[in-house]
Amino acid sequence: AQRVTQPEKLLSVFKGAPVELKCNYSYSGSPELFWYVQYSRQRLQLLLRHISRESIKGFTADLNKGETSFHLKKPFAQEEDSAMYYCALSRAGGTSYGKLTFGQGTILTVHP
Amino acid sequence: KAGVTQTPRYLIKTRGQQVTLSCSPISGHRSVSWYQQTPGQGLQFLFEYFSETQRNKGNFPGRFSGRQFSNSRSEMNVSTLELGDSALYLCASSLGVQAMNTEAFFGQGTRLTVV
Repeated sequence: AQRVTQPEKLLSVFKGAPVELKCNYSYSGSPELFWYVQYSRQRLQLLLRHISRESIKGFTADLNKGETSFHLKKPFAQEEDSAMYYCALSRAGGTSYGKLTFGQGTILTVHP
Repeated sequence: KAGVTQTPRYLIKTRGQQVTLSCSPISGHRSVSWYQQTPGQGLQFLFEYFSETQRNKGNFPGRFSGRQFSNSRSEMNVSTLELGDSALYLCASSLGVQAMNTEAFFGQGTRLTVV
């Protein structure tokens, strides 16, 4: 069975501080990992995926297969980063993008 | 291009009734997935349809069913509604085939309240 765990339901930081949202997963095969974000009153949208190895809005995430983790990091948080963040997993291979397993989500609040 | 559209946005139903939710994917997308979002369970995968066939299925009872039409539009049906079915139902569309940088795009959701 596949599982995604986000240990923090709530995370508060001050503007300019570093932020790290934790994500651990369990999966027997080769996974693909994603971070989705939901801003207030907006739809869920993809933030980044591990295969792209890109930085979006200053966020990065590295897949650590040894620790089965995919933590999301940003060196300097901004108020506009306040949102709900979901870590998600799918089976490797584009045909499986139709099935995502989500973590419970972390609400990030960035205080001025 | 137009995003994923879900209708209706809000629904109130009575226990025991049935309900049908609709999802129109992004043009060219052949995969439509459905998720249930609740405060207690979070986002849970219901099922995925690709080219009118159910390709993946989550762990939900048979009261939850779906279908996909030849134009890729999808409907989800819940029969014999229970109070616990109250949730936000999200639909996501994607290309559904292996391709670089493909992703799932989500709709705004349908808020179902069962009373």
